[in-house]
Formats: sequence, C-alpha cells, structure tokens
Amino acid sequence: KAGVTQTPRYLIKTRGQQVTLSCSPISGHRSVSWYQQTPGQGLQFLFEYFSETQRNKGNFPGRFSGRQFSNSRSEMNVSTLELGDSALYLCASSYDRAAEAFFGQGTRLTVV
Amino acid sequence: EDQVTQSPEALRLQEGESSSLNCSYTVSGLRGLFWYRQDPGKGPEFLFTLYSAGEEKEKERLKATLTKKESFLHITAPKPEDSATYLCAVQAVTDSWGKLQFGAGTQVVVTP
Repeated sequence: KAGVTQTPRYLIKTRGQQVTLSCSPISGHRSVSWYQQTPGQGLQFLFEYFSETQRNKGNFPGRFSGRQFSNSRSEMNVSTLELGDSALYLCASSYDRAAEAFFGQGTRLTVV
Repeated sequence: EDQVTQSPEALRLQEGESSSLNCSYTVSGLRGLFWYRQDPGKGPEFLFTLYSAGEEKEKERLKATLTKKESFLHITAPKPEDSATYLCAVQAVTDSWGKLQFGAGTQVVVTP
C-alpha cells in the first residue's frame, strides 16, 4: 500500500513569490492535514480538509491556503513568501478525522 | 491553554541501556495521544495511539503507557537503529477533529 506522497521534495523560492505544494493521501483516506515544522517552533498545525471542505485552521496568516479535490488529493499554497516561511511542510492523511494520521516525507521549502 | 511537554530534550544511551521518555499534557479533555518517531529530513512515522488512562501498547522494543496527565515511551534494550526524535501529540476534545498538538520531541541517540 503506497504511503502519503508529497511533491516536490525540495523547493527554493524568492521572497514575494508564491508556491504550491501537493499531497496525495493513502488510498481510501479522506482526511488530509498540513503542518509546518521549523527548528524553533516544532510541528505546527496549518489546516485540515475532509470531503473537500476545510474543517479546521491553525493560527497562520491568510497567505497560507489550501484545497482538497474530490479524489482527496490536497494542495497548499503560500503567497507572498517571506524568509520565515522556510520550513519543512508535512502532509498527513487519515481514514477519518479520529484515526491516526500518517505523514508524508515532506517538502523542504527554502525562501531566499 | 493546552500544552504538550516532552522530557528530556535529548537522551544518549548505550546499546542495551533501557530508558523512558516522558510526555506530559494539559488539555481540557483528551481524545487521543499519539507517539511518532522522526528521522532527520523525513516525515514522522506513526508508532502508537492511546485513548484512555491505563492503556498500554507495545511494538518490538517500544512500549507506550498513558495516565491522566502523562504518557511514557519505554525503550527496552535499545539498538542504534532506535536513534531518532520521538514526538508526542495530543488530540483534544476542545479542538476540531483532525488537529494534533505536538510536543517539541526527545532526540534519542543510541551508541554501540
């Protein structure tokens, strides 16, 4: 059974640009969550999607957005990138919203 | 405010030297407590879910236990391949489904 797939694995962007990250959940999983991981703040919850609807959102500015498609695949977008957005962005999928979450390998975003 | 605190921050063990990691939490109500291990540059790998005080789960050299205020991850006779950062996360009843709050992690190094 394939795991959670995130693309791309690495990205380098310039301040002010925007970026889109992709996540393909485990087959049959309907909930997709996104997290930001930095050395200083650890793992922080960004948002969660279930049945194509954003169900929960963390304490991040509106520059961070996402969506989920009918096949449960999800994308997150960050607009007007700042240096502080450099981080490992992790996607996690679960069968339903109460089940354990399985993480992808992450996308390492570097903003220069 | 909900909090998840892990201790110690770092742990250095000799191969075969058993030890325990602690995860203390303050949440108004616990839906579930999750343990993950994370290797450098990779996404967290799911280990255990615990739902109620007194519950225990085991997997190879790892055993997780849960009380009303904390959880322990016991590592018995560790091997070098057990070296990783171990993360604890809680899902609180006051949060919407799908959100995990993570502790900062315990970095474990097992030397031969």
